[in-house]
Amino acid sequence: KAGVTQTPRYLIKTRGQQVTLSCSPISGHRSVSWYQQTPGQGLQFLFEYFSETQRNKGNFPGRFSGRQFSNSRSEMNVSTLELGDSALYLCASSPRSPGQGMEKLFFGSGTQLSVL
Amino acid sequence: SQELEQSPQSLIVQEGKNLTINCTSSKTLYGLYWYKQKYGEGLIFLMMLQKGGEEKSHEKITAKLDEKKQQSSLHITASQPSHAGIYLCGADSFLRGGADGLTFGKGTHLIIQP
Repeated sequence: KAGVTQTPRYLIKTRGQQVTLSCSPISGHRSVSWYQQTPGQGLQFLFEYFSETQRNKGNFPGRFSGRQFSNSRSEMNVSTLELGDSALYLCASSPRSPGQGMEKLFFGSGTQLSVL
Repeated sequence: SQELEQSPQSLIVQEGKNLTINCTSSKTLYGLYWYKQKYGEGLIFLMMLQKGGEEKSHEKITAKLDEKKQQSSLHITASQPSHAGIYLCGADSFLRGGADGLTFGKGTHLIIQP
């Protein structure tokens, strides 16, 4: 089985621009979550989708948004980029359905976003 | 919200030596994940501990969950260069009735000296 695929791998943007990151989960996984990783804050939860519905959202401003398509692929969008948005954005997929217990999360290699 | 503190923050160990990384939670641990990360890359799953007292091993890595102490430890025996990287512990907020995804510690940077 192919792993979680994130594109692009690297991205350079300037302040004020917007960006869209893509994530293709492992085949059969319907749960996709996004995380932001920075040296200062570490890994922080952004949001989680299951069957095209956002189920949970972390403590991030409204500039951060996402969506999930019927094939479980997910995108996240950041509008009006700020310097502080520079980070590694990680996507994870899981076979877990809502209400289930612990289940392994499979992470992609991430998208390294640099905002200049 | 739950916070996870990892210790030590960084560790330099001579190849062949044993080492232990700790993860302490500010709240009850209902379950814990351990992941490993190479710099700038994704997370690789190591272990998932689901109940107090549980201990799991894979190759030379052993992880334990002490629910009462709200702590988990990761032990590596006879360390090798391939063990180098960042080790992260994560707790699932769902298990506490929350909706914040996984909360991760800041990580332990492990360097193996030949």
